[in-house]
Amino acid sequence: ELKVEQNPLFLSMQEGKNYTIYCNYSTTSDRLYWYRQDPGKSLESLFVLLSNGAVKQEGRLMASLDTKARLSTLHITAAVHDLSATYFCAVGRDYGGSQGNLIFGKGTKLSVKP
Amino acid sequence: EAGVAQSPRYKIIEKRQSVAFWCNPISGHATLYWYQQILGQGPKLLIQFQNNGVVDDSQLPKDRFSAERLKGVDSTLKIQPAKLEDSAVYLCASSVGQGIRTEAFFGQGTRLTVV
Repeated sequence: ELKVEQNPLFLSMQEGKNYTIYCNYSTTSDRLYWYRQDPGKSLESLFVLLSNGAVKQEGRLMASLDTKARLSTLHITAAVHDLSATYFCAVGRDYGGSQGNLIFGKGTKLSVKP
Repeated sequence: EAGVAQSPRYKIIEKRQSVAFWCNPISGHATLYWYQQILGQGPKLLIQFQNNGVVDDSQLPKDRFSAERLKGVDSTLKIQPAKLEDSAVYLCASSVGQGIRTEAFFGQGTRLTVV
């Protein structure tokens, strides 16, 4: 059974600092996603990673994928308050399946403080 | 482009009552998903439709949950009878198709509280 584990589950950061969120998954998959969720809001897609060694960057966030280690990381550079949210990683349940058919991690609640 | 619409936004019911949620996907999106998100956890897929056919309902508690997408557009998710542990946010999502490069878009969800 495919399991997705994120750590840490809670992260309190100071503005300007760097940190990394880790996402491990238990069996092979052909796709991995990172989502952001603000309180009371829906999920916003951040990154789609489809191949080993894939790296994508958007602003202060950078995601990478190591399919051999079954590990993805979300790196935060020089955090700002606007990045405060819950971040989820999600893995495709079946090869070649729909992007929406996913197993999600429990999420990492990020709080960036001045 | 209008997003995925869900209603109601909030619902409070007593245990053993019935409840239904409605979802209108993005126009032209053939694939529709219902997810359950319990507080403090990641979303869990309940059911996936391709047009009006069920693709995956392996995680749907079929003794109390049902879903339909009769005309391949709107969808309803029903719980009958509700239990306390059904308290969660129910998210609907849609995508153009089933390919891995097609992005899924999520609605704002319906927050259900069972008392």
